[in-house]
Amino acid sequence: ETGVTQSPTHLIKTRGQQVTLRCSSQSGHNTVSWYQQALGQGPQFIFQYYREEENGRGNFPPRFSGLQFPNYSSELNVNALELDDSALYLCASSLILADNEQFFGPGTRLTVL
Amino acid sequence: AQTVTQSQPEMSVQEAETVTLSCTYDTSESNYYLFWYKQPPSRQMILVIRQEAYKQQNATENRFSVNFQKAAKSFSLKISDSQLGDTAMYFCAFSNYNAGNMLTFGGGTRLMVKP
Repeated sequence: ETGVTQSPTHLIKTRGQQVTLRCSSQSGHNTVSWYQQALGQGPQFIFQYYREEENGRGNFPPRFSGLQFPNYSSELNVNALELDDSALYLCASSLILADNEQFFGPGTRLTVL
Repeated sequence: AQTVTQSQPEMSVQEAETVTLSCTYDTSESNYYLFWYKQPPSRQMILVIRQEAYKQQNATENRFSVNFQKAAKSFSLKISDSQLGDTAMYFCAFSNYNAGNMLTFGGGTRLMVKP
C-alpha cells in the first residue's frame, strides 16, 4: 500500500508568482484535504475535495484553489504569491465514509521571497 | 467555529518517565472527534490516538492514553515510559462529526525526551 506523497519537497518563488503543489493520495482514498502550516504553528485547513468536488473550505482567499483528479490525486494552486504564503503545505487523504482517520504526506516547504 | 488551545509550548521529560500534554477546546457541537497527532522533525504527521466524543471510556494506544473530560472540554495526552523517539511536536485536533474529516489544530507542544 502506497502512502501519501507530495511534490516538490521544497520550492522557492518570488512575490507575485504562481505555484502548483501536487499530492498523490493513499490507495483507495477518495478525499483529500490541504493544510497550511506556518513556522512554529499548527496546521490550518485550506480546503477539502471529495470525488473531484470541493467539500469544504477554510478561511483562505480565492487565490488559493485546488483540483482533484479522477485518480484522486490533487493539486493546490496559489496565485499572486505573498510573503505570508511561506509555509509547509500538507496534504492528507482519507476515506470519508470510514472512521475519520487522515493520512498525511511529508509536505512541501514553500518559501516566497 | 471551533478553537483548540494547547497552553504548553514546550515540555521536556526524562526517558522512561511519564508526561502529560494539555489541550482544551471550544465547540457548540455535541458529536465530534478529538485527536492527538505527532509531527517528528522529519515533518510527516502521524496519528497517535483518537477519541469519539460520544464514548465515555478514555482511548488508549499502548503507551499513549487520553483523559477526556467532555464537560470541561479538556483532552490531555499521557505518554508513559517515554522514549527518545517520542521527541516531536504534538498537536491536538478537533473534527466535527458532520463536517467530513476537516481538522482544527491547536498550536502544538514541542516535547523533548532527554536520555
